[in-house]
Amino acid sequence: EVRLVASGGGLVQPGGSLRLSCADSGFTFSNYWMSWVRQAPGKGLEWVANIKQDGSEKNYVDSVKGRFTISRDNAKNSLYLQMNSLRADDTAVYYCATDRRLFDSWGQGTLVTVSS
Amino acid sequence: DIVMTQSPDSLAVSLGERATINCKSSQSVLYTSNNKNYLAWYQQRPGQPPKLLISWASTRESGVPDRFSGSGSGTDFTLTISSLQAEDVAVYYCHQYYGAPPTFGPGTKVDIE
Repeated sequence: EVRLVASGGGLVQPGGSLRLSCADSGFTFSNYWMSWVRQAPGKGLEWVANIKQDGSEKNYVDSVKGRFTISRDNAKNSLYLQMNSLRADDTAVYYCATDRRLFDSWGQGTLVTVSS
Repeated sequence: DIVMTQSPDSLAVSLGERATINCKSSQSVLYTSNNKNYLAWYQQRPGQPPKLLISWASTRESGVPDRFSGSGSGTDFTLTISSLQAEDVAVYYCHQYYGAPPTFGPGTKVDIE
């Protein structure tokens, strides 16, 4: 059974940085593409970024290109999202999810609030 | 980007009655070489992460009750809940995984009437 736990969210000022983590248990993490998907308060879902099993391929939604970096450490069964130059419209719950083009297992999410 | 739209925005249905949600994509998500529609449906209960219900437009995931069904092809799709139960109160999202980036519909909120 896939169990994903996201952490690292919090309150940050505009222009600041934050690093999210997602730890897995219960499945072979290194077998999967992984994604971050976010949801602004009261809004819908937006895919943010994904990463191939070995980290050799990464993709991003246009709105975060150049600001966010996705990475993974298969030895630690962990996924990361480094978020720089944060803006108010990055405020959202960030979910990690297994990615086989559709998202079949999701973590609980971590809230990122960008505000002064 | 492929734009996904859903209708209605919300609906209220009596327990045991049928609920129907529509989803439309701005371009076809049918891959003709394998005749598969790259369309999924998710359920998001309040305070919970989304849960995958249906893939390939009509394939129920393991453990999903058979009152949930998906249909459609090309650009027009439907999620049907044949007999609404209290635990089905949620927001439902369609998602295309045909093109990059993957995109979601805005969601349809389902409540009990």
